[in-house]
Formats: sequence, C-alpha cells, structure tokens
Amino acid sequence: GQQLNQSPQSMFIQEGEDVSMNCTSSSIFNTWLWYKQDPGEGPVLLIALYKAGELTSNGRLTAQFGITRKDSFLNISASIPSDVGIYFCAGGRIQGAQKLVFGQGTRLTINP
Amino acid sequence: DAGVIQSPRHEVTEMGQEVTLRCKPISGHNSLFWYRQTMMRGLELLIYFNNNVPIDDSGMPEDRFSAKMPNASFSTLKIQPSEPRDSAVYFCASSPHFSGLAVGQETQYFGPGTRLLVL
Repeated sequence: GQQLNQSPQSMFIQEGEDVSMNCTSSSIFNTWLWYKQDPGEGPVLLIALYKAGELTSNGRLTAQFGITRKDSFLNISASIPSDVGIYFCAGGRIQGAQKLVFGQGTRLTINP
Repeated sequence: DAGVIQSPRHEVTEMGQEVTLRCKPISGHNSLFWYRQTMMRGLELLIYFNNNVPIDDSGMPEDRFSAKMPNASFSTLKIQPSEPRDSAVYFCASSPHFSGLAVGQETQYFGPGTRLLVL
C-alpha cells in the first residue's frame, strides 16, 4: 500500500544533540501526526498537525506541517536518554477513507 | 482516562490453533482500527470500523482472519487456523468520531498491542 517516505531510517547521536527527521509524500494530506513507539509498547501520539504551515511544539519537540501539504518534519532539541525509540509519521485525510498512512519509522539511538 | 485496552498482551500458540485478540476502545470513540506490525512490513492496517460497522477490510490478509465489533466498547480479531507467518504484534487503535469534515477525527490512539507467536 501507499507509504510515506520517512528519513532517516536510523540515527545514532550523543546525548544533548538536536534531532531532525522528516516525512515526504507524493500525495496531499490534511493531517500529519507524529508518534513514538517504545520497545514492547504501542505508538504514542506526540504531536498532531491540522493546518498547512502549522508549527507546533510539545516540550522539546517541534513539528511542522509543510506548506505544500506533502511533507512534515519533527525536531527534538537537547536529546535525553528517554528519547530513544522509533518515531513514526502518519498522514491522514479528512474526507474519504479514514485510514492513516504511516512512514517506515526512524529509530533513534542515543549514546550517553 | 483509560486508554485503549488490549488482551492478551502476549500469546504463544501452535500452528493450526484458533487465536482471538480483544480490544476495548477509548470510551466515546466511534472508530476502531486493527493493525499488524512486523519488522519486514512495518505497520499495516487490517480493518477498521465506524460505529461498529466494518468500513474497510482490504488489509485483512486472507479468509483465516476475521474481525467483529458487536458493540461500541469491544472488538475481536480472530485468526483460524493460525500459521507461523501470522507471528507479529497486533495493535488496536481508536479515534474520536467520524463525520467526514471534523478536524482531529483522524487522530488515532493505540493500545499496547498483543505480541503473537505461532509455533
């Protein structure tokens, strides 16, 4: 099925560094969502974006809904060990099918 | 508020056996989704319901898989007979409502998952 192109696939950083990841698509979405999944758990919603150009923060996390509606990015500032996990983007459309399209995930590893 | 509840959290069974996974969505949510997650294929949508009615089951792998939602607070995903290739983590998710135009309705909240191993 259709998937979003999420990059990078994995990141290895030092504690305290900033992190940036993004998702792109050939299709337009009305909603962009960012989830984090810890080992053995389900994805947890971090940030939801509903308007093109919207920039939203949640603590050290910042995400933007691209103006073209075809992309989104997530930044994490001053990373800490508990940021380790897999981050997924997901795109949604208000009308028509209610399905979310997920990216392949970005696996974040932090060296203390 | 309780989140999405799934049971069991872990299931180990032998090939050929019937497996039933259970989900209780967040109270007041009208839409429910079943996903499967594997290393190879990532998160795959199997089926989703709106107001207890199956809307799209195009992701269900084959006839061995079936899902029901008898009421707004309960859904099951059944595999009969199970096969080793069904081994995966199965997630249930719910979202607030479905009206076609309401912003935010697409936001899905996931349960902790059921880790299934078929030997």
